[in-house]
Amino acid sequence: QKEVEQDPGPLSVPEGAIVSLNCTYSNSAFQYFMWYRQYSRKGPELLMYTYSSGNKEDGRFTAQVDKSSKYISLFIRDSQPSDSATYLCAMSGHSGAGSYQLTFGKGTKLSVIP
Amino acid sequence: GAVVSQHPSRVICKSGTSVKIECRSLDFQATTMFWYRQFPKKSLMLMATSNEGSKATYEQGVEKDKFLINHASLTLSTLTVTSAHPEDSSFYICSARPGTGDNSPLHFGNGTRLTVT
Repeated sequence: QKEVEQDPGPLSVPEGAIVSLNCTYSNSAFQYFMWYRQYSRKGPELLMYTYSSGNKEDGRFTAQVDKSSKYISLFIRDSQPSDSATYLCAMSGHSGAGSYQLTFGKGTKLSVIP
Repeated sequence: GAVVSQHPSRVICKSGTSVKIECRSLDFQATTMFWYRQFPKKSLMLMATSNEGSKATYEQGVEKDKFLINHASLTLSTLTVTSAHPEDSSFYICSARPGTGDNSPLHFGNGTRLTVT
């Protein structure tokens, strides 16, 4: 079983739809969770950063972490064509040797159709 | 804030030559920078951790003599692909974290697309 599982998609939705992106993980030491957005031929851009379980909202984006289920989600409300990109989840553990290393999902490619 | 600049964005070189990629933290100091490689439709693969003033730490399977890393200052790390071969063609991305904590989020450069002919 891979440490982080993420459905690669592709996911295609109409403009204005609510998008749900998810990752599951197996390592219970992960405490810090991130979502990155990567446009084609560009580096990943940090969207959301959360610690432990709970929700975090930033504009149209909401990140959810459920540590009991080892499941994280990113919701995008009122999706726009400019949201079309690959979304990567990433996570890391608590302080300690190697804790700084991020473990990435493979990314979900999202297309928002006008 | 937290801008990481990477140069060049694209480079084409002939087999057997060397290519240098620069990574700069523009508005923060980074004692540690990370170099990743990304294959099409694959996730980011950590190649090495660049440490200012000391040797880089390479991940298993990454040839240190082929991928030379130098971190000469708190804002600059370079990756040199030596004696490049077509199989080295890939998307290389550097990253750094502005926070002091080990788990503060990484910020990425815009990547370098290397094509070896």
